[in-house]
Amino acid sequence: DIQMTQSPSSLSASVGDRVTITCRASQSISSYLNWYQQKPGKAPNLLIYAASSLQSGVPSRFSGSGSGTDFTLTISSLQPEDFATYYCQQSYSTPPWTFGQGTKLEIK
Amino acid sequence: QVHLQQSGPGLVKPSQTLSLTCAISGDSVSSNSAAWNWIRQSPSRGLEWLGRTYYRSNWYSDYAVSVKSRITINPDTSKNQFSLQLSSVTPEDTAVYYCAREWLREDAFDIWGQGTMVTVSS
Repeated sequence: DIQMTQSPSSLSASVGDRVTITCRASQSISSYLNWYQQKPGKAPNLLIYAASSLQSGVPSRFSGSGSGTDFTLTISSLQPEDFATYYCQQSYSTPPWTFGQGTKLEIK
Repeated sequence: QVHLQQSGPGLVKPSQTLSLTCAISGDSVSSNSAAWNWIRQSPSRGLEWLGRTYYRSNWYSDYAVSVKSRITINPDTSKNQFSLQLSSVTPEDTAVYYCAREWLREDAFDIWGQGTMVTVSS
């Protein structure tokens, strides 16, 4: 199985800050990398697919980049509603699909 | 607008079978552009993909190796829904279970059910 490793596991930041979360795959996954946001008690919500494509309805302050094994999610200017947990997920080739362990973004 | 509505019990006894259903509105379980997945989440295992069913002239399914001997995911075209059955459950199967649509144009889970907390306990 392809292992996904996120860093950091948690992050404290302030409203207006620029934040970057990293995801690394255990083997090359081309651009088959997705990012999700999850708030407490809710299902994950798709933000970015195919490494850099913004899902419909997602604010443009979210962006993704990378290919191969290294990927980043960037939030250009944090808003109060962005404090949540973020997950990466690979969809390369065939299942099993795997997720990172999550990055909890907290208010400083 | 696509919506997934989950139903099923929140408490299952050890060794019994966990059964959940995911009703689809706004799309079809027989869609050639989607696959229908079950994913669970627990503090110890994080987000764990369990399996999927999809239709491409025939019905297919894929399962995670960790549950392959115990899991069945079935479509129900008459009710436009799909189900999860996980047999011989143990407390380690305690988790929030989600159904999700895998939209093949994006290769991502774009629509999720509301989640069902399932506790395995006697």
